[in-house]
Amino acid sequence: GAVVSQHPSWVICKSGTSVKIECRSLDFQATTMFWYRQFPKQSLMLMATSNEGSKATYEQGVEKDKFLINHASLTLSTLTVTSAHPEDSSFYICSAIPGKNSPLHFGNGTRLTVT
Amino acid sequence: QQQVKQSPQSLIVQKGGISIINCAYENTAFDYFPWYQQFPGKGPALLIAIRPDVSEKKEGRFTISFNKSAKQFSLHIMDSQPGDSATYFCAASGNAGNMLTFGGGTRLMVKP
Repeated sequence: GAVVSQHPSWVICKSGTSVKIECRSLDFQATTMFWYRQFPKQSLMLMATSNEGSKATYEQGVEKDKFLINHASLTLSTLTVTSAHPEDSSFYICSAIPGKNSPLHFGNGTRLTVT
Repeated sequence: QQQVKQSPQSLIVQKGGISIINCAYENTAFDYFPWYQQFPGKGPALLIAIRPDVSEKKEGRFTISFNKSAKQFSLHIMDSQPGDSATYFCAASGNAGNMLTFGGGTRLMVKP
């Protein structure tokens, strides 16, 4: 089955530093990937749509200069949280669609803690 | 504006019982309604999905009931097991799973 892999699964960083999260489609090519954010005991909120070879599309209220998305290949999208602050601490989850009419598959998420 | 409303927020069911989670949507353009199961510290996993051309879909112990006129759909888990304890999210989209809008989630606990 289609697998979406995220790395790292958890990361702790100091306030003011940047953190990069990778999302890979292991057995399929994904022209589009989606990045979600989930706070404890809350639902998933779409942050942005990552498009291979072009700029990401950000949802309203998401700072594109803070959450940098790069989709350089058909199997890799990265989310960089720049100048992280404690309020950026959250669970970040990426997802992708293996093919036409296929359901959305999610990675296992990255737990970010900013101290 | 929350386009997909999910209830209840939490649910406790005895082992062997039926777990029922309900969702209501507003956007009539939605045409794909999946349910996801999420365990702590993991990403959501697709459980079952339905399109509005059918009123019910069953896969093993999991059944989706869909009421297009009422713009509601529900998940029924028959013979609930402790291993079913997780958070369940309903979702909806207008394009075969792209751009999913999620409900608020239901934390299910199945007691042995």
